[in-house]
Amino acid sequence: QVTLKESGPVLVKPTETLTLTCTVSGFSLSNARMGVSWIRQPPGKALEWLAHIFSNDEKSYSTSLKSRLTISKDTSKSQVVLTMTNMDPVDTATYYCARNGGWFDPWGQGTLVTVSS
Amino acid sequence: QSVLTQPPSVSGAPGQRVTISCTGSSSNIGAGYDVHWYQQLPGTAPKLLIYGNSNRPSGVPDRFSGSKSGTSASLAITGLQAEDEADYYCQSYDSSLSGSNVVFGGGTKLTVL
Repeated sequence: QVTLKESGPVLVKPTETLTLTCTVSGFSLSNARMGVSWIRQPPGKALEWLAHIFSNDEKSYSTSLKSRLTISKDTSKSQVVLTMTNMDPVDTATYYCARNGGWFDPWGQGTLVTVSS
Repeated sequence: QSVLTQPPSVSGAPGQRVTISCTGSSSNIGAGYDVHWYQQLPGTAPKLLIYGNSNRPSGVPDRFSGSKSGTSASLAITGLQAEDEADYYCQSYDSSLSGSNVVFGGGTKLTVL
C-alpha cells in the first residue's frame, strides 16, 4: 500500500523559512517512473502546485514561487523535503505531498501551516 | 485566477447527470497535455478520479467519466448520489514562454439537491 505523510511546523512567523517533510512508504523514491510533488491549498481556495522531484533528482518548480522554493530527497530515508523562504500570511495553507506518475496519486493527508506573528 | 477555468458550482438531484467543464488554452489542454480530475470530499485530501483524460483508477465507479476535446475537458457524473457532494478539480500541464507548470482549475463545488 502506497502512503505519504507530511510533517512540519503548524505555525511559522512572517519572514521565517518553512521546512516540510514528506515520508513515503510502499514505493521507492528511486523508482524510475515515479516522483513526488508538493501542492498547497489555502483555506477555502483552489489547489496550487509548488514543486516536483524526479527519481533522477531532476527538479521542477512553480514559476511564480521558484525563487523561494527548494525541493530535495533522501532516498535512504524515503523522504522528500520542501523549504519555502520568506513566509507571509498569504502562504497560510494546507500543504500536501503526492506521488506523481504523470498524475497525483495518492495524496498525503496534508498539514495545515499558519503564518502569523 | 486559475489557468484552467471551471464553473464555481453545479448541482443536481439524486439520479441525475451533471457535467463539469474545464476550459484551457493552446498552451495547456490545446497543446495536447492530458487532463486529470480529482475529487475532494469535505475536510479530506483530494483523490484521483480520472487520469489521462478518460481513464478511471480501480475502485472509481463507472458513473464517473471524462472526456477531452480541443482546449477543453469535461467530467460527467451519472446517477448522482449524495456521497458525490464534493469539490472537483481538473489538472493539466501548461507550457509557455514564461515557463512550464502543473496547473489546476479553480474547482467546482457539486451540490446534490
